[in-house]
Amino acid sequence: QKEVEQNSGPLSVPEGAIASLNCTYSDRVSQSFFWYRQYSGKSPELIMSIYSNGDKEDGRFTAQLNKASQYVSLLIRDSQPSDSATYLCAFHTGGFKTIFGAGTRLFVKA
Amino acid sequence: GAVVSQHPSWVICKSGTSVKIECRSLDFQATTMFWYRQFPKQSLMLMATSNEGSKATYEQGVEKDKFLINHASLTLSTLTVTSAHPEDSSFYICSASLPGSYEQYFGPGTRLTVT
Repeated sequence: QKEVEQNSGPLSVPEGAIASLNCTYSDRVSQSFFWYRQYSGKSPELIMSIYSNGDKEDGRFTAQLNKASQYVSLLIRDSQPSDSATYLCAFHTGGFKTIFGAGTRLFVKA
Repeated sequence: GAVVSQHPSWVICKSGTSVKIECRSLDFQATTMFWYRQFPKQSLMLMATSNEGSKATYEQGVEKDKFLINHASLTLSTLTVTSAHPEDSSFYICSASLPGSYEQYFGPGTRLTVT
């Protein structure tokens, strides 16, 4: 059974701090990894994709991938209250299938 | 770009009736669309994957005769919940991928309440 594991949280950080969200996955051959943000009562939205080992930066977001350790993380710099949401880690596992984690709830305190 | 719409955004129906939910990719052609269900405070549950012009692939445990999926064109997929019951009340979300990509773009979701 291919899986994604995330700490459910809530992860609470003060405004302006760095939020660090972590995820491990079970499929060694996966090449595509994603982070989605889901606000309460809304559908998920794609915020980052990463395909190669290392870091990928987009604005205040940095995704980090370590395929050897089967680990992917998302850093949010200068966290804002508007970043409070559930963050879903996902990986593509072949064919058309993407496996989603249950998500980590992030709370940014003003 | 990569905008997906859903209609309706919410619907209330009586037990035993059927409900159709539409999912459209507005600015791209989606060869593959996905249907998810999400109960409150729970994770996304993939119900089925639909490819344009072919039968949907249902996940284990999802009744294909109850949840009818039709992917009639490259921009439209529909989910029909037949003979709905209160336990079918949930948040139904579709998503679509750009051709050649595994990134999924989600519609805003449809909240179904069966009374």
